[in-house]
Amino acid sequence: QKEVEQNSGPLSVPEGAIASLNCTYSDRGSQSFFWYRQYSGKSPELIMSIYSNGDKEDGRFTAQLNKASQYVSLLIRDSQPSDSATYLCAVRYLVRRVNTGKLIFGQGTTLQVKP
Amino acid sequence: DTAVSQTPKYLVTQMGNDKSIKCEQNLGHDTMYWYKQDSKKFLKIMFSYNNKELIINETVPNRFSPKSPDKAHLNLHINSLELGDSAVYFCASSQGDRTDTQYFGPGTRLTVL
Repeated sequence: QKEVEQNSGPLSVPEGAIASLNCTYSDRGSQSFFWYRQYSGKSPELIMSIYSNGDKEDGRFTAQLNKASQYVSLLIRDSQPSDSATYLCAVRYLVRRVNTGKLIFGQGTTLQVKP
Repeated sequence: DTAVSQTPKYLVTQMGNDKSIKCEQNLGHDTMYWYKQDSKKFLKIMFSYNNKELIINETVPNRFSPKSPDKAHLNLHINSLELGDSAVYFCASSQGDRTDTQYFGPGTRLTVL
């Protein structure tokens, strides 16, 4: 059973702080990892993807991947109230019999940024 | 232009009815998906189609039948609706390659009474 685990939260941080969101996954063979943001009542929106070990930065967002520890994280610097949302970690698993992939999502972490 | 669109946005119906949800994408993607998001916000894949061919079917009850008339459209038909089918259903599309960025539709909130 392929699994992706996240702490459901809520994670509460003050405005301007760094928010740290974590995710672990079960399949060592996974190659592609994604962070989606979902506002209440809206659809998931991709904010970061990462494929190699290390850090990947995009504006205030940094994704970190450690394949040996099967761990992915998302850091949000200078958190704003508009960052308050649910953050979904997703891992792409290869479905070998059809040579394609599918995304398995974690349960999401709710982030609250307090002004 | 809307990239992935779904209709209807809301669907309220009685147990036992049959209903359909439609999805269209104008991104030129080859792969389309249906996801179910339950009340706990857990997003789970149901089906995936590549160029009108069903490639992933995640142990979904056979009351759910996806149909892809062409690679830009993926519809979901649900027979004999049950209370447990109440959820938000999202359609998505992607190129289906390693980067696999999936673009989601706005969702259809299905309520079964």
